[in-house]
Amino acid sequence: KQEVTQIPAALSVPEGENLVLNCSFTDSAIYNLQWFRQDPGKGLTSLLLIQSSQREQTSGRLNASLDKSSGRSTLYIAASQPGDSATYLCAVSSGGFKTIFGAGTRLFVKA
Amino acid sequence: DAGVTQSPTHLIKTRGQQVTLRCSPKSGHDTVSWYQQALGQGPQFIFQYYEEEERQRGNFPDRFSGHQFPNYSSELNVNALLLGDSALYLCASRPTGFYGYTFGSGTRLTVV
Repeated sequence: KQEVTQIPAALSVPEGENLVLNCSFTDSAIYNLQWFRQDPGKGLTSLLLIQSSQREQTSGRLNASLDKSSGRSTLYIAASQPGDSATYLCAVSSGGFKTIFGAGTRLFVKA
Repeated sequence: DAGVTQSPTHLIKTRGQQVTLRCSPKSGHDTVSWYQQALGQGPQFIFQYYEEEERQRGNFPDRFSGHQFPNYSSELNVNALLLGDSALYLCASRPTGFYGYTFGSGTRLTVV
């Protein structure tokens, strides 16, 4: 049974800081891993999708890496801004295309 | 290009009632999944529909049922509502294959 864990559960940083969010999963037989952003009470916005054959994906100030063998992914945010404040969710798609989410990391960037 | 559309956005129901939530997938997407997200938690997988059939199901009771129509839109039905069913219900769609999901804005269900 796939389990996804995100650490830390919450993070508060000053504006301009570079930061790393962590995601770990128990079953390495995955198809892809997706990072999402969720603002309070809203739906999910896809940030990056990494296929199982890829090692990383980049979009603007965001970079996500994937290490299937160790069951880990990281989301790197460069030069954080107050607008980056949100909950970041990691989702892993594996057997049967069931997509399992972590509980998320709540990020607060202070101006 | 419209993304995933869910209706209604908010809903208040009484314990024991039944509710139907609706989802229109993004154009070109044929697979629809439903998730339940309680406050402060990650989304929990309810079920997935493809070709009008339930293909995968999470750990939810039979009170939760769904349907997919020929135009790929989908409904989530919940019978005999409990207070614990209060949550944000999210619909997600994707094309066939190893693609990521696009999510709707969700329906906020409150059971009183």
